[in-house]
Amino acid sequence: DIQMTQSPSSLSASIGDRVTITCRASQSFGNYLNWYQQKPGKAPKLLIYLASTLQSGVPSRFIGSGFGTEFTLTISSLQPEDSATYYCQQSYTTPFIFGPGTKVEIK
Amino acid sequence: EVQLLQSEGGLVQPGGSLRLSCATSGFTFSTHHMNWVRQAPGGGLEWVAAISSSGEGTYYAKSVRGRFTISRDNSENTMYLHMNSLGAEDTAVYYCVKEVIGEQKFDYWGQGTLVTVSS
Repeated sequence: DIQMTQSPSSLSASIGDRVTITCRASQSFGNYLNWYQQKPGKAPKLLIYLASTLQSGVPSRFIGSGFGTEFTLTISSLQPEDSATYYCQQSYTTPFIFGPGTKVEIK
Repeated sequence: EVQLLQSEGGLVQPGGSLRLSCATSGFTFSTHHMNWVRQAPGGGLEWVAAISSSGEGTYYAKSVRGRFTISRDNSENTMYLHMNSLGAEDTAVYYCVKEVIGEQKFDYWGQGTLVTVSS
């Protein structure tokens, strides 16, 4: 199975900061990488698919990049509503493993 | 509007069984793969199972293989998860999820159903 790691596990940043989350895979799978945002008590929400494609309706401050085994999610200017946990997921092959998550807090 | 409406969960004794359902609307159900994803209390997301659009292909996480069965009724636009031999480690919120083939994205999620396995 492909294993996924994320770093950092948590971070605290100020409004307007640029925030970057990294997701690494144990083997290469091209660009079949998704990013989700989850707020407490809510279902996850798709932000980015195919590593860099913004899902319809998602603000453009969310930017995905990467290929192969290393991927990043960047929030270009952190907003109060971005406080959440972010998960990456490989969608190349089953099992569709998720990363352990990165909790983003607002200072 | 795409909707994924999940059935109620509940409290199940260890070793027991439960069936979850996910009734869908707002898209052509029979042309989409579907998935179940779960989240243990305070934990991360764990992919559980997937089913192809026709229902002929089914795929499972190792943690549930042989105990859980995913199925679908395309005439009723509904997906199911039959769970047997439940243990405490299966306690979680279960989400049904719509998949987009080709783009390989999970674009719509149900509201989640809490399943608690405890005596």
